[in-house]
Amino acid sequence: SQKIEQNSEALNIQEGKTATLTCNYTNYSPAYLQWYRQDPGRGPVFLLLIRENEKEKRKERLKVTFDTTLKQSLFHITASQPADSATYLCALGYSSASKIIFGSGTRLSIRP
Amino acid sequence: DGGITQSPKYLFRKEGQNVTLSCEQNLNHDAMYWYRQDPGQGLRLIYYSQIVNDFQKGDIAEGYSVSREKKESFPLTVTSAQKNPTAFYLCASSPSRDNNQPQHFGDGTRLSIL
Repeated sequence: SQKIEQNSEALNIQEGKTATLTCNYTNYSPAYLQWYRQDPGRGPVFLLLIRENEKEKRKERLKVTFDTTLKQSLFHITASQPADSATYLCALGYSSASKIIFGSGTRLSIRP
Repeated sequence: DGGITQSPKYLFRKEGQNVTLSCEQNLNHDAMYWYRQDPGQGLRLIYYSQIVNDFQKGDIAEGYSVSREKKESFPLTVTSAQKNPTAFYLCASSPSRDNNQPQHFGDGTRLSIL
């Protein structure tokens, strides 16, 4: 079965630096990869989607890359701010399936 | 203001009791989903529905039941057969069954055992 690995340890970053989060998967490459933000006690909020034929996607201070050779997606937040502190989830989608598979998430803390 | 509303925010279940979690959306989305989230784990799919009057089991459907009688509503019942129901339950919707579209989530219901 498909496995998704995200940094299990929390990531602590100094404000203003770039935070980089990793999402690795095994077996089959997904057709789509999504990133979500989740705050404590709240539901996830969609951030970005990248397709298998796209190398990179940007939205304001966010950048996502997708490398099907390495079976990896990287999620970058530039000029990080304390308000960026949250748990970030990656999710894989396959063309043959009607559902997506979520990783366990990485908790990011930005210290002032 | 469009979105997904889950209620109640906190719910307690007694031994042998069935409880129902509510999920309502006014986004006019076709697809709806129920997930369970445990500490340190990803979201696990319980049930999903791609259209009214139709639903499919997800990865951990045992001990749960759903209905989809209306497009905007997808209630989840946690039955007494679910022996470890304590978790954070999240409902989501998306415009269609295509998994290339983002899912919109409610703010969850936290279920605990009395």
